[in-house]
Amino acid sequence: QSALTQPRSVSGSPGQSVTISCTGTSSDIGGYNYVSWYQQHPGKAPKLMFYDVSKRPSGVPDRFSGSKSGNTASLTISGLQAEDEADYYCCSYAGSSTVIFGGGTKLTVL
Amino acid sequence: QVQLVQSGAEVKKPGASVKVSCKASGYTFTNSNMHWVRQAPGQGLEWMGIIDPSGDITNYAQKFQGRVTMSRDTSTSTVHMELSSLRAEDTAVYYCAREGSSWNSGHWGQGTLVTVSS
Repeated sequence: QSALTQPRSVSGSPGQSVTISCTGTSSDIGGYNYVSWYQQHPGKAPKLMFYDVSKRPSGVPDRFSGSKSGNTASLTISGLQAEDEADYYCCSYAGSSTVIFGGGTKLTVL
Repeated sequence: QVQLVQSGAEVKKPGASVKVSCKASGYTFTNSNMHWVRQAPGQGLEWMGIIDPSGDITNYAQKFQGRVTMSRDTSTSTVHMELSSLRAEDTAVYYCAREGSSWNSGHWGQGTLVTVSS
């Protein structure tokens, strides 16, 4: 089972918006609304940013939004801030009680 | 508050086994599944498997089947992950992560570095 496909890197200037895509198949992203997103700063454990595609845990700024269309999920960050610079991972339920992660995207705030 | 505290770093020789522990507190231990995820140096997150609240049901990623065993001790609110036949490629930080509502994890342990080296 291959990892979900994410761009290796994206970048944006403070105040701009960026979108990170995550492409899977009908057996994972396309088949279930169990897509989650994680933010990871260097040397830290991942932090849950979204679950069930677009549900935001308390404490996550509403500058962040999650969505899904077909086999592709997306994470959009508007009003970029320096502290948003991190690695971002998508994750999806893949059936048969298994989970699959994306390869990760490094976000650089210019 | 929910806390997951993992055991300390390990150094193992190729072919050996390692057992990583994850002690939970701040919630009802038997109410949540626990996932294990690893991250090799400079690499992405890799899902290893899940263990249910009772400890009776486990499911492992195909890649690790036959080499990984997950267990839990409800008397100490601790989950264990044992990986055998270690090779250099198993060098990674191993995380336990408590499942939230549905196949996501809002609480993670601090990670345990396992180094496999001769």
